[in-house]
Amino acid sequence: EDQVTQSPEALRLQEGESSSLNCSYTVSGLRGLFWYRQDPGKGPEFLFTLYSAGEEKEKERLKATLTKKESFLHITAPKPEDSATYLCAVRGGSNYKLTFGKGTLLTVNP
Amino acid sequence: EAQVTQNPRYLITVTGKKLTVTCSQNMNHEYMSWYRQDPGLGLRQIYYSMNVEVTDKGDVPEGYKVSRKEKRNFPLILESPSPNQTSLYFCASSLWASRITDTQYFGPGTRLTVL
Repeated sequence: EDQVTQSPEALRLQEGESSSLNCSYTVSGLRGLFWYRQDPGKGPEFLFTLYSAGEEKEKERLKATLTKKESFLHITAPKPEDSATYLCAVRGGSNYKLTFGKGTLLTVNP
Repeated sequence: EAQVTQNPRYLITVTGKKLTVTCSQNMNHEYMSWYRQDPGLGLRQIYYSMNVEVTDKGDVPEGYKVSRKEKRNFPLILESPSPNQTSLYFCASSLWASRITDTQYFGPGTRLTVL
């Protein structure tokens, strides 16, 4: 069974204070690792897909990296508008579904 | 605008009163799915559909039904809702689930309360 564990559960940063969120996973035959952003009461918004170890993707202040066991979402010089819950999900090779972690609630204070 | 829409967005009902939550996408996506999101449990898949007339159970299908008679629509049916089905529900779609490039796009959510 695919499993995803995200840490920390919550992270509070000051504006401009860079940090990283962790997503550890176990999956049989990784078909893709996905990062989403979710604002309160809204649907998850797609950020990145990573497919193989060593891959990196960037978007504005966010950078996602992937190893064989975990993924990191690095946030550089965050702003208050980056405050949200960040979700990690994996798709294994034996099925079509996404398995989600429970998310990291990021709060960036001005 | 490419999007996944859900209706209603908010619903309060009583135990046992049948209800349907609609989901529609305008992106010609083959794959559609329903999730529920509960505090401390994250997003869990209820049902999914690979194409018209093809549906299968996810992780938590008990108490739910789905149908896929048209490509764009994937309604979620609760025949006899119970309080433990109070949750935030999301519909999602992707072009084709088995392709390595496919990303699931989510609707805005339906907050359901069963009294």
